[in-house]
Amino acid sequence: GQQLNQSPQSMFIQEGEDVSMNCTSSSIFNTWLWYKQDPGEGPVLLIALYKAGELTSNGRLTAQFGITRKDSFLNISASIPSDVGIYFCAGQRANTGNQFYFGTGTSLTVIP
Amino acid sequence: EPEVTQTPSHQVTQMGQEVILRCVPISNHLYFYWYRQILGQKVEFLVSFYNNEISEKSEIFDDQFSVERPDGSNFTLKIRSTKLEDSAMYFCASSEYGQGLQGYTFGSGTRLTVV
Repeated sequence: GQQLNQSPQSMFIQEGEDVSMNCTSSSIFNTWLWYKQDPGEGPVLLIALYKAGELTSNGRLTAQFGITRKDSFLNISASIPSDVGIYFCAGQRANTGNQFYFGTGTSLTVIP
Repeated sequence: EPEVTQTPSHQVTQMGQEVILRCVPISNHLYFYWYRQILGQKVEFLVSFYNNEISEKSEIFDDQFSVERPDGSNFTLKIRSTKLEDSAMYFCASSEYGQGLQGYTFGSGTRLTVV
């Protein structure tokens, strides 16, 4: 299946620090989504991106659709304890129906 | 905020048994999906469903699996003859538009444990 590589795999940061994570693919995507998953819960959509180069914010979260259309980035500014969770990117390729391919996830731990 | 509701939240079943996982998608959504997440791994696509038929399925979704919309509100995933490796979280999702514009809304999942 389609491989989306996320890095880093895990992060341990102090409260108040900024966080950056990214997602890369060998294929071109026409839509990128970023989800957060809390333990025992389903993924919750954070940000959706639809155009190469697009930069979109949602509160302290900012995500970008890479110019090459093969990557995407998520930044979290001034992290707080409730940011803890696993962050997944998901990409949708052109002409392959409505299936999203999920990344391997970045586990974020915020130390108060 | 509209929700996708899944029941049960946890299901334990004997190997070889059949299970049915239930989902109530958001009422005005027309596209429905099942995804699976094995513990500690990424979320994997199983199947999408529109207009009372499967529109897309992955290689995971073999003859052991089937989906149904038995009435106007429920969307079910049936797993026949369960195997140990079917143990996973199963997420239902729905979307208003077919290309997943605005993303999906996921349910909280059903944890399936096959023993």
